[in-house]
Amino acid sequence: SAVISQKPSRDICQRGTSLTIQCQVDSQVTMMFWYRQQPGQSLTLIATANQGSEATYESGFVIDKFPISRPNLTFSTLTVSNMSPEDSSIYLCSAYSGGNYNEQFFGPGTRLTVL
Amino acid sequence: AQTVTQSQPEMSVQEAETVTLSCTYDTSENNYYLFWYKQPPSRQMILVIRQEAYKQQNATENRFSVNFQKAAKSFSLKISDSQLGDTAMYFCAFMRYHAGNMLTFGGGTRLMVKP
Repeated sequence: SAVISQKPSRDICQRGTSLTIQCQVDSQVTMMFWYRQQPGQSLTLIATANQGSEATYESGFVIDKFPISRPNLTFSTLTVSNMSPEDSSIYLCSAYSGGNYNEQFFGPGTRLTVL
Repeated sequence: AQTVTQSQPEMSVQEAETVTLSCTYDTSENNYYLFWYKQPPSRQMILVIRQEAYKQQNATENRFSVNFQKAAKSFSLKISDSQLGDTAMYFCAFMRYHAGNMLTFGGGTRLMVKP
């Protein structure tokens, strides 16, 4: 298993600013992912954070808006750039550590409110 | 592309009774994984149970079991002896084999266990 922590747990930001969310895993993992979850709704994959290379973005998400870094096998960051109220959401990090069970472990999420 | 549908946005059950949550999915793949995740109000996503598509036997984990009908593309979750701690959002999720371990989530079912 893997234990994932995220910082910050929540934040309130002004329109036009940027916020960087950190995701730390307690062990080396193969894959890391970033999801967005609107309150009371399902999760939508933003991108796969690739170690040592550019992230792979899903349709509707672009690098200029959501730059992602993954400098090593235990850490990743997601930046929400030039924020607007529509970016208010919960952002979750997840990780897959390999093996036969294909289980993804999730962080506790970051609740972002943009005013 | 895969889609996952949960047709019950909300459900309630009396403590100690049994409840079944529905999930259907659409895919052209033959090999894949299916998951049920639980998200309590604390937001931490927790894996409840998984099923490999090539296995005909339904997965069970203590009070949780699934009814996997591959031909019908149905994957329901049965919770027996419901407990107050089972109150949460439940998400059905799909993962293709060898596809970067990305999860596709259903819309979720909010389950309330009543005392």
